[in-house]
Amino acid sequence: AQSVTQLGSHVSVSEGALVLLRCNYSSSVPPYLFWYVQYPNQGLQLLLKYTTGATLVKGINGFEAEFKKSETSFHLTKPSAHMSDAAEYFCAGNNFNKFYFGSGTKLNVKP
Amino acid sequence: DTGVSQNPRHKITKRGQNVTFRCDPISEHNRLYWYRQTLGQGPEFLTYFQNEAQLEKSRLLSDRFSAERPKGSFSTLEIQRTEQGDSAMYLCASSPRTENTEAFFGQGTRLTVV
Repeated sequence: AQSVTQLGSHVSVSEGALVLLRCNYSSSVPPYLFWYVQYPNQGLQLLLKYTTGATLVKGINGFEAEFKKSETSFHLTKPSAHMSDAAEYFCAGNNFNKFYFGSGTKLNVKP
Repeated sequence: DTGVSQNPRHKITKRGQNVTFRCDPISEHNRLYWYRQTLGQGPEFLTYFQNEAQLEKSRLLSDRFSAERPKGSFSTLEIQRTEQGDSAMYLCASSPRTENTEAFFGQGTRLTVV
């Protein structure tokens, strides 16, 4: 079965530091991959997506992710964290039209 | 376009009562999904519609759960004889017919069963 695994349920960085949130997918065929962000008591907002083509994907709010087939990874990065980035982040895949999500990583940004 | 709309945003109910949630998707989206999210977890797939047809149901969707999408527009999710374990955030999402595009999520309905 297709799945995504997020390493680290909590990540803490200082403001201005690099953000790295890890996601690995499991599939014999590379799925379509997404990163979503969720603020408390809110729905999920799309940050970026990989479907086909360029493996480095840029999203909103300065985030980007690189699809690496050899590593079955789709890690999310941002060069410089901002206080407003504090939220929960979900990696998701889509195969045969059903979305499946990782368990999430809560990002804490320290002043 | 106002996005995916869910009502109510919050619902507190007593154990054993029935509850119904509504989701209004983005108007041109054919696909509609229901997910359940508990604290500290990612969204879990419940069911999926393409137009009015319910194409897939998760094993999580017990006999007490039923979802409909009459006329392929809004959808309702009903939970009968609620249990404390049903307490969760229920998320609705929609996507266009084009395959493998992202899902657009509503704000969710938080259910608390007391």
